[in-house]
Amino acid sequence: QQKVQQSPESLIVPEGGMASLNCTSSDRNVDYFWWYRQHSGKSPKMLMSIFSNGEKEEGRFTVHLNKASLHTSLHIRDSQPSDSALYLCAASMQGGRALIFGTGTTVSVSP
Amino acid sequence: DTTVKQNPRYKLARVGKPVNLICSQTMNHDTMYWYQKKPNQAPKLLLFYYDKILNREADTFEKFQSSRPNNSFCSLYIGSAGLEYSAMYLCASSGGSNTGQLYFGEGSKLTVL
Repeated sequence: QQKVQQSPESLIVPEGGMASLNCTSSDRNVDYFWWYRQHSGKSPKMLMSIFSNGEKEEGRFTVHLNKASLHTSLHIRDSQPSDSALYLCAASMQGGRALIFGTGTTVSVSP
Repeated sequence: DTTVKQNPRYKLARVGKPVNLICSQTMNHDTMYWYQKKPNQAPKLLLFYYDKILNREADTFEKFQSSRPNNSFCSLYIGSAGLEYSAMYLCASSGGSNTGQLYFGEGSKLTVL
């Protein structure tokens, strides 16, 4: 069973719109969450990380974390065509170096 | 420079033949990883080296071997390739206090025929 589950599988967002992506871990040992972005034909690059309950904002990107439910979400406001990519969620245990990835959400921003 | 380099970028192998993939990084990172990525599947962690200590996932323990002769290099070795090994193999490294920030290479695409 996949330990990190993401939804939706794909998302079409109008330019300037809001994209909301979800990620949940089924492993109670998980403590840290990471979001990676992978543009087509490129390697994944870390976008944001979150370790504590609450919200973290960086520019147009906001992540939320609820540690009780092991659920994190990524929100992209004012979506741009350059945001079209595969977004991967990853989880790890505190102090652990093994990142377990989900299958990803493909975001397509339509002009 | 945050570059992780992988060689070869493309590899064609026959069933039953060995495959060796190479990864290098110049960031002096203490940890190097190998992930297997198949279409529409999550990147699957195969193994990682923390310094000289190799950690292998239980379900891939016998299928993949690795070596890290020095801090900069890490290899992934398949002794006898099967059709199910066809995939993209991603190498990554991380270091310092931000252990979850992985820097990925461009990948090595393995096709087994």
